[in-house]
Amino acid sequence: QKEVEQNSGPLSVPEGAIASLNCTYSDRGSQSFFWYRQYSGKSPELIMFIYSNGDKEDGRFTAQLNKASQYVSLLIRDSQPSDSATYLCAASGGFKTIFGAGTRLFVKA
Amino acid sequence: ETGVTQSPTHLIKTRGQQVTLRCSSQSGHNTVSWYQQALGQGPQFIFQYYREEENGRGNFPPRFSGLQFPNYSSELNVNALELDDSALYLCASSPEWMTYGYTFGSGTRLTVV
Repeated sequence: QKEVEQNSGPLSVPEGAIASLNCTYSDRGSQSFFWYRQYSGKSPELIMFIYSNGDKEDGRFTAQLNKASQYVSLLIRDSQPSDSATYLCAASGGFKTIFGAGTRLFVKA
Repeated sequence: ETGVTQSPTHLIKTRGQQVTLRCSSQSGHNTVSWYQQALGQGPQFIFQYYREEENGRGNFPPRFSGLQFPNYSSELNVNALELDDSALYLCASSPEWMTYGYTFGSGTRLTVV
């Protein structure tokens, strides 16, 4: 069974801090990796995708990929209360994208 | 540019009944994927349609079936509903089957009683 594993949390950080979210995947054939944000009662929203080993930055968000370790992470700098949500990690190796169960993040004002 | 729209937003059905959920993909997107998300879980892949053909399927029984139409809108049909089918059903569209990330619809909340 190909899986994406995430710590369910909750992860609690103070406003202005860096939030670090992690994910591992089991299928070495996965080629593309994604982070989605899902607010309670809403549908997931794509915030980052990464294909190559290393870091990719977009505003306050940095995605990191290490294919050798089968590890993906998301850093959120200057966390805001509006960042409080569930963050879903996903891996894609073709037609199928597999999601983790998500990590709940709380940013305390 | 319109996003992904799903209908209905909420639905209550009785065990054993059949249900059809609908999805209009984002303009320019030819691929639609359907996911089931139970409370507190991540989305589970049901199947994907690419240019009107089923392109791949997850671990769901045959009573879950679908269609994609020439305008790339899609339907998810579930027969013989079971209590465990209660979930949020998400439709996601992407420009090609090799996804560069999905645009999700707002989902259909199905409750089976």
